[in-house]
Amino acid sequence: GAVVSQHPSRVICKSGTSVKIECRSLDFQATTMFWYRQFPKKSLMLMATSNEGSKATYEQGVEKDKFLINHASLTLSTLTVTSAHPEDSSFYICGGLGNTIYFGEGSWLTVV
Amino acid sequence: KNEVEQSPQNLTAQEGEFITINCSYSVGISALHWLQQHPGGGIVSLFMLSSGKKKHGRLIATINIQEKHSSLHITASHPRDSAVYICAALLNTGNQFYFGTGTSLTVIP
Repeated sequence: GAVVSQHPSRVICKSGTSVKIECRSLDFQATTMFWYRQFPKKSLMLMATSNEGSKATYEQGVEKDKFLINHASLTLSTLTVTSAHPEDSSFYICGGLGNTIYFGEGSWLTVV
Repeated sequence: KNEVEQSPQNLTAQEGEFITINCSYSVGISALHWLQQHPGGGIVSLFMLSSGKKKHGRLIATINIQEKHSSLHITASHPRDSAVYICAALLNTGNQFYFGTGTSLTVIP
């Protein structure tokens, strides 16, 4: 089946710094990429939907200036957490829309 | 009220038991997905359904469009089936998902 590669799988960063998470669709073109956040023992929470070549659509309550999403090509979407804060520590996962949704492996972010 | 309701939230079963997880939705969908999330976080899509029934190994998924209900069944459950199972409804718009809260399954040897 189709594969979405997400990197890094785990990252620790200091408060105030920025961290970038990449999602690549390896064998299909993901015109739409979803970015989710998951808190412990909670379901996936959609942060934003990005379409290749256009600005991402953010869900209510998600700060677009803090969570920068770029979807510059059909195979790459990135999420940059800017000025990271310990409250941003979470599990982030992307999903690429092909003939179905294919999820990346997820990224555990810890902000210290 | 959530657009996608899933039950039970937690389920513990003995190895070999038949397991059923239910999902009800209140929106118009083009497909319903059953996902499996392992403790490490990775998510795998088990099934995508728009009608009827699908089977893969010991897993069976059914959907009743009229009743807006889907079930995931696991036959002869095994400890390696322990995971969180999530149903996700793909809206008619084709680019928006609603997720259930997940069912945490533990299969005891």
